[in-house]
Amino acid sequence: ETGVTQTPRHLVMGMTNKKSLKCEQHLGHNAMYWYKQSAKKPLELMFVYNFKEQTENNSVPSRFSPECPNSSHLFLHLHTLQPEDSALYLCASSQLQGASTGELFFGEGSRLTVL
Amino acid sequence: EDQVTQSPEALRLQEGESSSLNCSYTVSGLRGLFWYRQDPGKGPEFLFTLYSAGEEKEKERLKATLTKKESFLHITAPKPEDSATYLCAVFNTGNQFYFGTGTSLTVIP
Repeated sequence: ETGVTQTPRHLVMGMTNKKSLKCEQHLGHNAMYWYKQSAKKPLELMFVYNFKEQTENNSVPSRFSPECPNSSHLFLHLHTLQPEDSALYLCASSQLQGASTGELFFGEGSRLTVL
Repeated sequence: EDQVTQSPEALRLQEGESSSLNCSYTVSGLRGLFWYRQDPGKGPEFLFTLYSAGEEKEKERLKATLTKKESFLHITAPKPEDSATYLCAVFNTGNQFYFGTGTSLTVIP
């Protein structure tokens, strides 16, 4: 496999459920990101990891919990979400946060619906 | 605060009708400006990086240009398969990305 792979592609959950989103990158990058994309809004950065260390947490509610066990894998654990959390969640990777090129490479996204 | 504004919000073109998408930005220190293409229900696909004013990049029917205040994505003789949302983003010297809300392009056969 190449690129950035996200699973599941679609997820429907109730407000009391606990679920996880998974991201895997095969690009040899050292930085990984979670973004939230809602209609008519710019992409919102949620979390950044460099070499498995969290370097940014953009004031995200604690009902979203990231985990980065190694430079290739990233998880987003979800619990007691609200309907307004329904969105497309995008994982991205780059060579290194702050590297001169800086390009982000995105996965296909996980479409989350909270009932 | 750094920000990116894209216009128009939506654009409908006849096949073969060339046009341009605009990305205006304010940034404390620009390290790069990126263009992405996003198809419905999918993640953004990287198109171009521009680093300094005057730079141009081309790929098939697309050409991206950069000035100190804005970037244009020129689409020459578009085809229906060019229909997508095009996102612009800036990367600043604080290692932060700022995205625009995108331009939704529809090319009618």
